[in-house]
Amino acid sequence: EIVMTQSPATLSVSPGERATLSCRASQSVSSNLAWYQQKPGQAPRLLIYGASTRATGIPARFSGSGSGTEFTLTISSLQSEDFAVYYCQQYNNWPLTFGQGTKVEIK
Amino acid sequence: EVQLVESGGGLVQPGGSLRLSCAASGFTVSSNYMSWVRQAPGKGLEWVSVIYSGGSTYYADSVRGRFSISRDTSKNTLYLQMNSLRAEDTAVYYCARGFSGSPLSFDYWGQGTLVTVSS
Repeated sequence: EIVMTQSPATLSVSPGERATLSCRASQSVSSNLAWYQQKPGQAPRLLIYGASTRATGIPARFSGSGSGTEFTLTISSLQSEDFAVYYCQQYNNWPLTFGQGTKVEIK
Repeated sequence: EVQLVESGGGLVQPGGSLRLSCAASGFTVSSNYMSWVRQAPGKGLEWVSVIYSGGSTYYADSVRGRFSISRDTSKNTLYLQMNSLRAEDTAVYYCARGFSGSPLSFDYWGQGTLVTVSS
């Protein structure tokens, strides 16, 4: 099983600042990686697929990069609605696996 | 508009069974990859099972042999039959549609249904 490790567990950021979230895979997943945003009491929302392609309707302030084992989600200028938990997910190997999440909170 | 509505969750004793349903609208279940993903209280996301448009199915090791995914084309509904339930199966269960660009990522999710396994 591929283990996905996200860091940091919690990120404290002020509105308008940049946030950088990391996701590391225990072995290569090529570019078969997605990012999701989840707010309390809500289902996750797809942000990024293929490591770097924004899903439909996702603002340009969200960007993904990386391949192989190291991935990054960057939120260029945090808006109030961006404070949430973010998960990465690999879909290169069975079983599909998620990271444990990074909580982005208001500083 | 794409919608997914889960139902069937509830309280069940260890060793018991439940069948979850996910009624879809705005698209055809049988033409898409469909998955179940669960989230234990206060925890992260765990993929459970997928059914391909062609009918192939895959399961997480933790549920293989106990859970079964299926669909009813006439009802445009996805199911998860859960047998031999354990306390560690307690979670919110989401159904999710595979994204056309990357079918093993998920672009639409239901609101979830809570399954509690406890005596």
